[in-house]
Amino acid sequence: DTEVTQTPKHLVMGMTNKKSLKCEQHMGHRAMYWYKQKAKKPPELMFVYSYEKLSINESVPSRFSPECPNSSLLNLHLHALQPEDSALYLCASSRRGTGSTGELFFGEGSRLTVL
Amino acid sequence: GDSVTQMEGPVTLSEEAFLTINCTYTATGYPSLFWYVQYPGEGLQLLLKATKADDKGSNKGFEATYRKETTSFHLEKGSVQVSDSAVYFCALSDQAGGGADGLTFGKGTHLIIQP
Repeated sequence: DTEVTQTPKHLVMGMTNKKSLKCEQHMGHRAMYWYKQKAKKPPELMFVYSYEKLSINESVPSRFSPECPNSSLLNLHLHALQPEDSALYLCASSRRGTGSTGELFFGEGSRLTVL
Repeated sequence: GDSVTQMEGPVTLSEEAFLTINCTYTATGYPSLFWYVQYPGEGLQLLLKATKADDKGSNKGFEATYRKETTSFHLEKGSVQVSDSAVYFCALSDQAGGGADGLTFGKGTHLIIQP
């Protein structure tokens, strides 16, 4: 299994809603990532979890709250978002340790629209 | 810090034309280099990679050679097809020892192949 699975694929929410994006991988990877991608732009790193601990937070607003319940799952909790937060949210995973090339495996993304 | 520079598009070619997308990088250490492809409405897929100088990555008729002397990783394909229309991202990982800082991406090249 070399897949990263993201749900939902599409999400529409109002500015007062609370929702969550979910990501799952079963490759035994011990690093998981959230990226945000706007149209025609490269992905921007938001968060990195390494061995289930938050290791990088790229100064992301607190209305985005990541969670890593175990080594296979990664969530992104959303609350009080703004219309400018509308984007494609990509989850990725990678190996850690000796032999790792740094290659990231990406999911298909969750397309978020904030009204 | 690390950076990746690639030609921005859109690049428009006719079917069966020769393709080159230039990519140069700046990094400390000895990065791994990647080309990712993103088809419309999808996530990023690894197209090819190279982990050390003079390595050649290849996949689906695409090739790129890691040139340390020119800090380049240009993507080439001898005969493009309409189905190659996508956005191509050059990226690097400066993660000797298997760390988890994510990838540094170029801005992406939008490739359009006309029949």
